[in-house]
Amino acid sequence: DTGVSQNPRHKITKRGQNVTFRCDPISEHNRLYWYRQTLGQGPEFLTYFQNEAQLEKSRLLSDRFSAERPKGSFSTLEIQRTEQGDSAMYLCASSYLPGERGYTFGSGTRLTVV
Amino acid sequence: GENVEQHPSTLSVQEGDSAVIKCTYSDSASNYFPWYKQELGKRPQLIIDIRSNVGEKKDQRIAVTLNKTAKHFSLHITETQPEDSAVYFCAASTGGNQFYFGTGTSLTVIP
Repeated sequence: DTGVSQNPRHKITKRGQNVTFRCDPISEHNRLYWYRQTLGQGPEFLTYFQNEAQLEKSRLLSDRFSAERPKGSFSTLEIQRTEQGDSAMYLCASSYLPGERGYTFGSGTRLTVV
Repeated sequence: GENVEQHPSTLSVQEGDSAVIKCTYSDSASNYFPWYKQELGKRPQLIIDIRSNVGEKKDQRIAVTLNKTAKHFSLHITETQPEDSAVYFCAASTGGNQFYFGTGTSLTVIP
């Protein structure tokens, strides 16, 4: 499979718990992006990496959120002390060059905080 | 930051008719405008894009137009088919990294 892979597809967690999502980008893509999508809304930018460097973070990325891409390949997004407002689809995307033919998105991880 | 507005939020057309979705953006520095199609429960998929040095681009039944002066761009789908039913998102970007998305248009093509 040469697409962007995200795991898990679904995650249900209790409020206050920590969760971690994983994204495996297309292998030759050096840029990796995280977005959050709530019902009825477009994706909202969270952060992006070029190789292992995290180059930009949105104000949406509160202190409870942290993202890593330690070897410039896969990335993880961790949410600590989850809140009900964190319930959303978390989308990962990758690209080789900025803006070239847009992104390739993964299928997302749907988080439900109960 | 950039603000992208998209209209309409829902659109129903008869099969074979045309559908038009419109977006406006606020940042005159935006220079790349992709359109994504998202079917229920699936990933957004790029269907067409346009750069600011081009006014119109067409790919079979899909076309996008851009008016830089007015800061708006539109998606045109001709000869609609039931499989075109999905949510369509426009986006704008200044450097190709962070995309600002519209709120989406749910298109229903009635057979």
